[in-house]
Amino acid sequence: DVVMTQSPLSLPVTLGQPASISCRSSQGLVYSDGNTYLSWFQQRPGQPPRRLIYTVSNRDSGVPDRFSGSGSGTDFTLKISRVEAEDVGVYYCMQGTHWPWTFGQGTKVEIK
Amino acid sequence: QVQLVQSGAEVKKPGASVKVSCKASGYTFTNYYIHWVRQAPGQALEWMGWLNPHSGGSNYAQKFQGQVTMTRDTSISTAYMEVNRLRSDDTAVYYCARVYDYGGKRDLFDYWGQGTLVTVSS
Repeated sequence: DVVMTQSPLSLPVTLGQPASISCRSSQGLVYSDGNTYLSWFQQRPGQPPRRLIYTVSNRDSGVPDRFSGSGSGTDFTLKISRVEAEDVGVYYCMQGTHWPWTFGQGTKVEIK
Repeated sequence: QVQLVQSGAEVKKPGASVKVSCKASGYTFTNYYIHWVRQAPGQALEWMGWLNPHSGGSNYAQKFQGQVTMTRDTSISTAYMEVNRLRSDDTAVYYCARVYDYGGKRDLFDYWGQGTLVTVSS
């Protein structure tokens, strides 16, 4: 199985400051169609996951533009340009290229 | 608007079975796969398998083969997941989520159900 390794696992951030989460995969994630199926999800307490980013860098409708995704190969990053209080939660990366699909361990973002 | 609405929380004894439903609305049910993902308390997300509502075909993660069955009723746009021989470590929130994967176009997990808590306890 493809292992998705996130870091850090805990990320205390000051309001208005940037935040960055790393996700590394144990194999490359380019699919047969040429796309890289790496997604980012936000999970607020007591809520289901919400997709923020798909295919590495495409932001979902309604997602604030302070969220951005980047990366290639086996190294991917989610950045929040200026953290707001509503960004508190756990963030997961997921690969949908190789079966079984796998998630990272999650990164908990909290306000300092 | 697209919605996936799941059935309510369940409490089961070890060895029992549970069947969770996921009712789709706001889109053509048979055009999207339904996947199931679970989350044990305080743990990460774990992919379990998928159901093709058009054909009824399914595929499960190796860990869940023989324990999980995914089915559907297209007349009411509802997918089901049955988990048998429950153990305490099956205590988790179970989510359904949709996937589009046809004609060379893929869109993964854009909508999720609200989750169903299954508690396994004697």
